[in-house]
Amino acid sequence: GNSVTQMEGPVTLSEEAFLTINCTYTATGYPSLFWYVQYPGEGLQLLLKATKADDKGSNKGFEATYRKETTSFHLEKGSVQVSDSAVYFCALRLIQGAQKLVFGQGTRLTINP
Amino acid sequence: DTAVSQTPKYLVTQMGNDKSIKCEQNLGHDTMYWYKQDSKKFLKIMFSYNNKELIINETVPNRFSPKSPDKAHLNLHINSLELGDSAVYFCASSLGLTDTQYFGPGTRLTVL
Repeated sequence: GNSVTQMEGPVTLSEEAFLTINCTYTATGYPSLFWYVQYPGEGLQLLLKATKADDKGSNKGFEATYRKETTSFHLEKGSVQVSDSAVYFCALRLIQGAQKLVFGQGTRLTINP
Repeated sequence: DTAVSQTPKYLVTQMGNDKSIKCEQNLGHDTMYWYKQDSKKFLKIMFSYNNKELIINETVPNRFSPKSPDKAHLNLHINSLELGDSAVYFCASSLGLTDTQYFGPGTRLTVL
């Protein structure tokens, strides 16, 4: 089946620290990959995406590279801010079939000043 | 100028009751979705409509029935509510099936 696995949270970092949130996937086809962010009390927002192998998605200082050989899409940011505190979801969508989004379990990130 | 809106934001009700959650999008999108997020933040799709036609119907109890009166609205009706229905329900929309999905703020349902 199709699934997404993220690193267990919660993750707590100090401001300006380097962030990595791991994400690996299993897919029967060739998925597009996404990172969504959910700020407290809000719905999910698309953070970045990549649609094919070796693509790099980037937004707001966050980056993730689609690695087909390791079936991974790890989220990174060089220097986090308190405002980055949120829950981050990795997701995939197959190009074929129902094309629904399949989400990972989410990783809660807290940044301390 | 809210893109995807849901009402109510909070819903507290007794077991066995019937309730509805409404969703509206003003983005001109053709596709709308309902997701359920459980207490552990796990998010899973329930339904998807494209141009008012049901295209995704995951393994969801028959007590849940989506209704799309027009392309801008997708309501979720739940019959005979159970404790396990307590969750946050998110509506989302996208231009087409493969386009970016925009999420509403969520409706926190608590069944007592």
